[in-house]
Amino acid sequence: SQQGEEDPQALSIQEGENATMNCSYKTSINNLQWYRQNSGRGLVHLILIRSNEREKHSGRLRVTLDTSKKSSSLLITASRAADTASYFCATPYNYGQNFVFGPGTRLSVLP
Amino acid sequence: GAVVSQHPSWVICKSGTSVKIECRSLDFQATTMFWYRQFPKQSLMLMATSNEGSKATYEQGVEKDKFLINHASLTLSTLTVTSAHPEDSSFYICSAPKPWGAAWVGETQYFGPGTRLLVL
Repeated sequence: SQQGEEDPQALSIQEGENATMNCSYKTSINNLQWYRQNSGRGLVHLILIRSNEREKHSGRLRVTLDTSKKSSSLLITASRAADTASYFCATPYNYGQNFVFGPGTRLSVLP
Repeated sequence: GAVVSQHPSWVICKSGTSVKIECRSLDFQATTMFWYRQFPKQSLMLMATSNEGSKATYEQGVEKDKFLINHASLTLSTLTVTSAHPEDSSFYICSAPKPWGAAWVGETQYFGPGTRLLVL
């Protein structure tokens, strides 16, 4: 069953603006991962944050994790048209062998 | 780094035919692989877990007789969509866990690039 839920489902912003996507999950986790998917393409791993971490950065990406609220956020700063894609959070289960994906946020960055 | 490949990348077939999709781990062994299905503008949903040398485990609601999975070697899993129908048209993605003992960096699963199936 799907346990990750994301909001917003769709987000449209202007180039240069920041984009924030949120993810909620239901069960305990030891890590949470964010992926990007360009239209009709495979998944690209963006970042992994462990349950004992509260914030993590990677380039223009900033991820937070609040295990008490079972939620995570992905912030993309200074967005570019190339950031247009769907973004999914994924939480592992089955001893980390598999994932449950959130429904995703479709981000459109307008030039 | 480790890579998972899928073949074909896209396929168009007539209703009623069977289609085989291959998932290969290119430089590591995978005793377990996973098959996901993704409908347009939706998320990935796990279909089944492919186990090398044993039967696949299917998620609830997935017909095992329709989606045949064979994991004949440590680097290859195949998904066969039997008697495909238009409603089977979807994007199929496989993944394999990062090998145990691999450096704990980045992702824990390697995903294939996906196979787009269109059933006419």
